[in-house]
Amino acid sequence: EDQVTQSPEALRLQEGESSSLNCSYTVSGLRGLFWYRQDPGKGPEFLFTLYSAGEEKEKERLKATLTKKESFLHITAPKPEDSATYLCAVHIREGSNNAGNMLTFGGGTRLMVKP
Amino acid sequence: NAGVTQTPKFQVLKTGQSMTLQCAQDMNHNSMYWYRQDPGMGLRLIYYSASEGTTDKGEVPNGYNVSRLNKREFSLRLESAAPSQTSVYFCASGPPRNTQYFGPGTRLTVL
Repeated sequence: EDQVTQSPEALRLQEGESSSLNCSYTVSGLRGLFWYRQDPGKGPEFLFTLYSAGEEKEKERLKATLTKKESFLHITAPKPEDSATYLCAVHIREGSNNAGNMLTFGGGTRLMVKP
Repeated sequence: NAGVTQTPKFQVLKTGQSMTLQCAQDMNHNSMYWYRQDPGMGLRLIYYSASEGTTDKGEVPNGYNVSRLNKREFSLRLESAAPSQTSVYFCASGPPRNTQYFGPGTRLTVL
């Protein structure tokens, strides 16, 4: 069964304390891995897409990396405004009409950054 | 560019009532999706539409119907609401096989 597991479930950091969030997956034929940020009461906001092992992408204090079994979201010198829930999702197969993009989401990591 | 918009933002229903959640996107995307998000369950796909005129079931389609009205609009209908359908519903859109962009969500409570 295809699975996506995120760890830890919750992470408390002091401002400036760098850390990493993990997304491990057991899927056959990964077609893409996506990272989203979700603030309370809002919809997920797209951050990154990774397609192949070894790929890395950066945006401000965030850097996403991908291996054959997991992805990491590294947060360098976080600020309180980085507090949010971070979701990862994998594209595991296409829809019956061969054009869809069905994503399987992990449970998320709730990040809290204290000033 | 408004992106993906959803109406209503909040709704309270009684068991057995029906309602339609509306979603529209102005990014000219072919594919549109409906998800529900529940504590401890993450985001789960209800239905999706790969292109105008097509719809397919996702992981949790029971109790729901959808209509792809045109390229911009994708609606989700609850014919007879049940307490188990209390959730936050998100619509998303995107180009095929690529990133999905989400709306702000509809918070539904079924009493």
